Amino acid sequence: DGGITQSPKYLFRKEGQNVTLSCEQNLNHDAMYWYRQDPGQGLRLIYYSQIVNDFQKGDIAEGYSVSREKKESFPLTVTSAQKNPTAFYLCASSMLRTSETQYFGPGTRLLVL
Amino acid sequence: GENVEQHPSTLSVQEGDSAVIKCTYSDSASNYFPWYKQELGKRPQLIIDIRSNVGEKKDQRIAVTLNKTAKHFSLHITETQPEDSAVYFCAARGPGNSGAGSYQLTFGKGTKLSVIP
Repeated sequence: DGGITQSPKYLFRKEGQNVTLSCEQNLNHDAMYWYRQDPGQGLRLIYYSQIVNDFQKGDIAEGYSVSREKKESFPLTVTSAQKNPTAFYLCASSMLRTSETQYFGPGTRLLVL
Repeated sequence: GENVEQHPSTLSVQEGDSAVIKCTYSDSASNYFPWYKQELGKRPQLIIDIRSNVGEKKDQRIAVTLNKTAKHFSLHITETQPEDSAVYFCAARGPGNSGAGSYQLTFGKGTKLSVIP
């Protein structure tokens, strides 16, 4: 899982502002995922992508957007429509067809000013 | 969709005792069940997983059991040590051949394990 990086480690958002969280992997994994973690809530899936230029909504996609222009990158944008964005955001990746194991990045903590 | 329930939400044990965390799932087609350990402020890390064609799997002090009929699986940690203190998450994954959504992992809400020296 050392091959997955997320930046920044901390991010501050002002009211009405869109912010973008970066996720990069050099593991040649097919699939990438974004999760949101709140205290006592576990991990909830926001979006996932199994192939370049394709992605699907997870359980809590409202107020978020993603892109998958390159296999290595899966950025997440938290839009102003997300009214409660304060959380720990985790990116993950997996090989998909040869292994179910998902490997996680170190996370980004988003705080609202 | 899949629903995963995890119990207990918190668990305290004395060092050297065993700890057991239980999870139930709703989709009988789910076939892969990983367990992750997350230390405070860190990323979740896979500690053990089991597939539906296996009833039990062990790795040193950690074991996972699966009961497909009852749709539940459990994590067993023996001879607990202070470094086992963390939040543990179970998850379930669909078979991957019933649409894109079945590749998703559905997580339980986590168990905070405290090992008291």
